[in-house]
Amino acid sequence: KAGVTQTPRYLIKTRGQQVTLSCSPISGHRSVSWYQQTPGQGLQFLFEYFSETQRNKGNFPGRFSGRQFSNSRSEMNVSTLELGDSALYLCASSFEYRGGYTFGSGTRLTVV
Amino acid sequence: AQSVTQLGSHVSVSEGALVLLRCNYSSSVPPYLFWYVQYPNQGLQLLLKYTSAATLVKGINGFEAEFKKSETSFHLTKPSAHMSDAAEYFCAVSNNNNDMRFGAGTRLTVKP
Repeated sequence: KAGVTQTPRYLIKTRGQQVTLSCSPISGHRSVSWYQQTPGQGLQFLFEYFSETQRNKGNFPGRFSGRQFSNSRSEMNVSTLELGDSALYLCASSFEYRGGYTFGSGTRLTVV
Repeated sequence: AQSVTQLGSHVSVSEGALVLLRCNYSSSVPPYLFWYVQYPNQGLQLLLKYTSAATLVKGINGFEAEFKKSETSFHLTKPSAHMSDAAEYFCAVSNNNNDMRFGAGTRLTVKP
């Protein structure tokens, strides 16, 4: 079956712009989580959605937001981009909490 | 909140030698523990998981990990390292709320 699909794979944006990243989970997975990965901070949890509701949230400013649609696809949005937002953004889906996550290949965002 | 600490940001072994990557966890409830591997420019791949069944867990690619409650540890081992094992490894802890937190990662180098 198809894995977790993240689009686009690479993105270059200018400071102050906004960006929307997309994630399509594995069919049947209702939980989608987002992580930011940087060399300095490692993997940091952004938020988790389950059945269109945000269930968990990490310590990121309000510029970072997300949503989940009825088909479990998820988007995350970053407004007013800063240079420090340059990172690999990873999406992961899961069927239930004991099974672990299946990750997508990520979206590499570069802010210039 | 739960957390994990990975001891050693870099580990270097010779091909054929034992691999030992250390992980200690903190959790106020019985944890679910995971090890993931990440190859360059890719997402994370699940190696193995502990979900309160057997304390010795076998995963893919010859890796295994042992859950030791008394030591709050979940160290990852492989008897004989292969060049293809070179990657970054992440330990993670989750609870029944699907809030998964990752360690800082350990970069494994395998010398010929």
